[in-house]
Amino acid sequence: AQKVTQAQTEISVVEKEDVTLDCVYETRDTTYYLFWYKQPPSGELVFLIRRNSFDEQNEISGRYSWNFQKSTSSFNFTITASQVVDSAVYFCALSERDNYGQNFVFGPGTRLSVLP
Amino acid sequence: DGGITQSPKYLFRKEGQNVTLSCEQNLNHDAMYWYRQDPGQGLRLIYYSQIVNDFQKGDIAEGYSVSREKKESFPLTVTSAQKNPTAFYLCASSMDRGYNQPQHFGDGTRLSIL
Repeated sequence: AQKVTQAQTEISVVEKEDVTLDCVYETRDTTYYLFWYKQPPSGELVFLIRRNSFDEQNEISGRYSWNFQKSTSSFNFTITASQVVDSAVYFCALSERDNYGQNFVFGPGTRLSVLP
Repeated sequence: DGGITQSPKYLFRKEGQNVTLSCEQNLNHDAMYWYRQDPGQGLRLIYYSQIVNDFQKGDIAEGYSVSREKKESFPLTVTSAQKNPTAFYLCASSMDRGYNQPQHFGDGTRLSIL
């Protein structure tokens, strides 16, 4: 079973629309971290946010916001008033502790296309 | 500027040839990683290194080799034993292997077969 599921393979929106990218994870640990990364067409993965499992406060950074719900094992990402520059593949990732320090698992990614 | 530099950006391999992808970081990070990304897919871990002169296999290590002789450098060799090497390769680093540490990525190398 996948540890990190991003059910939306591709999403297309028109500029200025709001869009939410879903992330559902699976873990038996009580302490873990969740991350979101952006991969623009250039290829580099850009780190966006880290959230630990004890902090369920929502976070807002400009047009970006994240909703972490431990009860549903979800860590969703919303872009408000989307722009063409938001077009990218977005990855959710789960980091658990293992015998070697870190078990970092990426989801399959969601490709977001923002049309002008 | 601190960051991770991967070279070359594009690489072509002939049949039976080994090729080496370079990854250098100046972030003073202890841990480094190599991932493979196939079109439309997520990232799969090839190898990782927690510290100089130490490295561990990831999920898809067959046909690849690495070395970690310097903290800043973690080159990946794609050997002729890797029968399907065409992919996008990403190098990453983190401060250490603590599970709270984000990984920071380079720009990637696209490898193709001639």
